[in-house]
Amino acid sequence: GAGVSQSPRYKVAKRGQDVALRCDPISGHVSLFWYQQALGQGPEFLTYFQNEAQLDKSGLPSDRFFAERPEGSVSTLKIQRTQQEDSAVYLCASSLTEYNSPLHFGNGTRLTVT
Amino acid sequence: QQPVQSPQAVILREGEDAVINCSSSKALYSVHWYRQKHGEAPVFLMILLKGGEQMRHEKISASFNEKKQQSSLYLTASQLSYSGTYFCGTEYGAQKLVFGQGTRLTINP
Repeated sequence: GAGVSQSPRYKVAKRGQDVALRCDPISGHVSLFWYQQALGQGPEFLTYFQNEAQLDKSGLPSDRFFAERPEGSVSTLKIQRTQQEDSAVYLCASSLTEYNSPLHFGNGTRLTVT
Repeated sequence: QQPVQSPQAVILREGEDAVINCSSSKALYSVHWYRQKHGEAPVFLMILLKGGEQMRHEKISASFNEKKQQSSLYLTASQLSYSGTYFCGTEYGAQKLVFGQGTRLTINP
């Protein structure tokens, strides 16, 4: 595909359930980012990968959040024991190089925790 | 560390001009500008680097004042398609972008 693909597009989870969100970046893009966007707010940084290495996970809100990119391509963001405050749109973005490169965003996964 | 955008919202008639500002309390390496329409992904507009030139995308241009740690986005002769929320993303040398809270732009016919 030409762009960043995220699945599922929508996810409803009961509080306490585990969820896994998938991101398929643009082929050949080195960097991959996960952001969380609450309604009416700007995207908030969660974590960053350069190829398969997770170089920054300072934005992950708790140890319930875990991300991986084992082969340097597809990435998965996992949230364990979901809470209501986890409800948000989770955006994935990729960029061609490490520095000064535009971010290409996916359409996001809207997570609703009931 | 989050940059501050102003104004929070702007309403224009088609053909009018607007300026959106983005200010940081820390020294910046670069500033990105994105536009997001409701329910869609943010779309890249332009990037401004330290020591770089003013950038332009169609009738949208931007400047970067390193000394004042701020950037401004200029929308000239606005079109209906310019409606959306504009975000600046600031980079402080750690590769990740920190986004402002956004400026909602509404263009009326």
